[in-house]
Amino acid sequence: AQSVTQLDSHVSVSEGTPVLLRCNYSSSYSPSLFWYVQHPNKGLQLLLKYTSAATLVKGINGFEAEFKKSETSFHLTKPSAHMSDAAEYFCVVSDLGNFNKFYFGSGTKLNVKP
Amino acid sequence: IAGITQAPTSQILAAGRRMTLRCTQDMRHNAMYWYRQDLGLGLRLIHYSNTAGTTGKGEVPDGYSVSRANTDDFPLTLASAVPSQTSVYFCASSLSGEGYNEQFFGPGTRLTVL
Repeated sequence: AQSVTQLDSHVSVSEGTPVLLRCNYSSSYSPSLFWYVQHPNKGLQLLLKYTSAATLVKGINGFEAEFKKSETSFHLTKPSAHMSDAAEYFCVVSDLGNFNKFYFGSGTKLNVKP
Repeated sequence: IAGITQAPTSQILAAGRRMTLRCTQDMRHNAMYWYRQDLGLGLRLIHYSNTAGTTGKGEVPDGYSVSRANTDDFPLTLASAVPSQTSVYFCASSLSGEGYNEQFFGPGTRLTVL
């Protein structure tokens, strides 16, 4: 069975410093992995996705994530945080062979200090 | 503008009342989903539909029903609302139900049951 663990419920960084949001997953088969961002009182927006192609995935707004099968991780990074990055981030796992089975992490709230 | 719309934006409802949350997409996506979002729990799937005329149960279906009469619309009905159904509800769609397809989310409906 699949599951997702977001290791930090809150992360606080200063503007201009790197961002690291951690995600570990478990999956029985070949996983698809997604990162979504949710700004306050908004819906979720896709940042990036991994579906068995290149292990380093680049997304929107300068975010990227690396799929590490040996570590069952899919951590989200950004070299330099911007105030507009303050939001909640969700890691999601699904299996390529399954339908309608998306498992959401509990979310990480990113705070960016000026 | 292509996307997903949800109505109402927010609602306060007396316990025991019937309520239908509306969701419409114009992307011609085959799959649609209803999630609820509760603090610290991420998103949990209520019901889904892979194509018009078919629906399926998600992780937390009790107390909710859905229908899919056509491709664009996927209403969620609470037959007799209870306070534990107080939540933010998100509708989503994807090209198909296969796990590698990203989901597109609506802006959400904030429901309070008193």
